[in-house]
Amino acid sequence: DAKTTQPPSMDCAEGRAANLPCNHSTISGNEYVYWYRQIHSQGPQYIIHGLKNNETNEMASLIITEDRKSSTLILPHATLRDTAVYYCIVSRYTTSGTYKYIFGTGTRLKVLA
Amino acid sequence: KAGVTQTPRYLIKTRGQQVTLSCSPISGHRSVSWYQQTPGQGLQFLFEYFSETQRNKGNFPGRFSGRQFSNSRSEMNVSTLELGDSALYLCASTLTGGGQKLFFGSGTQLSVL
Repeated sequence: DAKTTQPPSMDCAEGRAANLPCNHSTISGNEYVYWYRQIHSQGPQYIIHGLKNNETNEMASLIITEDRKSSTLILPHATLRDTAVYYCIVSRYTTSGTYKYIFGTGTRLKVLA
Repeated sequence: KAGVTQTPRYLIKTRGQQVTLSCSPISGHRSVSWYQQTPGQGLQFLFEYFSETQRNKGNFPGRFSGRQFSNSRSEMNVSTLELGDSALYLCASTLTGGGQKLFFGSGTQLSVL
């Protein structure tokens, strides 16, 4: 199964861009990269996903390297409410015709005032 | 549209007991998956149900089981509880589970004493 590796923690100053890296060197061609975040004791919340092109939505941007072995989630102007654990996830298409979601251990982002 | 609803929110049990957790997916969603989250192991996939059938299963002992009803609501059961089963149990729903983004509930926090 494809695995993801993330730094355990990061700090970011409020108002600055937060760049969260993820390594998924064993990703296959049909596997998507998803990003979720989890605020203490709540369920993870979807942020963004992509296959091979860079993506942007109202919450964040996702930059995927050309070889697809790593990606970076960018929160352009971090606020205190962005303090959370961020998970980089690979969705793997299985031989049974379904998808499995492989979670990494996440990065604990702390936004500092 | 109502989100994913999990009940109960908190549960305290003793070793050897059994427990049943409930998950109501977003209306129209037919796939429900379950995850166990602990500080040491992170988020681990338990199983996924679609149209009342288990489609995928993670690496958990047979004490962990689940089912899905015709209205897509799902339950998971843990028998003969162990201290190590203390965790946040999350369920997530998608329309069909086909590599789509997961919508998570707030989870059930289970404490085994």
